[in-house]
Amino acid sequence: RKEVEQDPGPFNVPEGATVAFNCTYSNSASQSFFWYRQDCRKEPKLLMSVYSSGNEDGRFTAQLNRASQYISLLIRDSKLSDSATYLCVVNMGGNYQLIWGAGTKLIIKP
Amino acid sequence: EPEVTQTPSHQVTQMGQEVILRCVPISNHLYFYWYRQILGQKVEFLVSFYNNEISEKSEIFDDQFSVERPDGSNFTLKIRSTKLEDSAMYFCASSVTAAETQYFGPGTRLLVL
Repeated sequence: RKEVEQDPGPFNVPEGATVAFNCTYSNSASQSFFWYRQDCRKEPKLLMSVYSSGNEDGRFTAQLNRASQYISLLIRDSKLSDSATYLCVVNMGGNYQLIWGAGTKLIIKP
Repeated sequence: EPEVTQTPSHQVTQMGQEVILRCVPISNHLYFYWYRQILGQKVEFLVSFYNNEISEKSEIFDDQFSVERPDGSNFTLKIRSTKLEDSAMYFCASSVTAAETQYFGPGTRLLVL
C-alpha cells in the first residue's frame, strides 16, 4: 500500500463549482498534514496546513479524519486560477521526512 | 518576502559528468532539503540537512550524491557521475524547524544527455 494516495484526476470542473478531493495515508502515527499546490513546471507551494479541528482559508477548507486516515480539501466557488495539481503531504514525524502524494490534477473550465 | 533561490534554472550535461546544483535557503531557516521530480511523476525526497550534517536521506540518495553547506548561505547538491535517469527537476527547500512549513525554491531542471 502506498504511504500517501491520491486520485490523480484530472477533475474537470466548471468555474464557480465546488470540488473536493481526498487523500489517504497509511501511517497512523502521522503527525502533520499539508496541502500544497503545484502549477505546471513550477515548485510546490504551501496552500494550507491541515489541523485536527479542520481549518478554512477563504474558499478553501481542509479536514482531517484520523480514524479513517484521510485528509480532504474542499474548494468553493472555483476560479480558473485554481487549475493546478494539488499535492497531499504527510509528515510521519520522528525523522521529519515529508511523504508526498502523487497529486490530483484540477482543471477549472470557463 | 524572503524566498529560496536556486541556480542554475536549467542545466544540460553529458552522462558521466559531475554537476553541482546551488541553493540559497531563507536566511533564518535551519533545516534544508533536496527533492527531485521526474517529469510527470511525484515529488521525491532526497535528503535533509541540519547543523552541518545529513539528518535523513532516502534510498535514492546513493553514493553519487552529496550535499554541502560551503558557507553561511549556500546549500549545494553534487551529483558525481550523472546518469540519464538523473534527468529531473531538483527542488531545494528550507524550514525554520523540522516540523514547520518547508518553502521551496523554483527548481533546477537537469537534463542528462
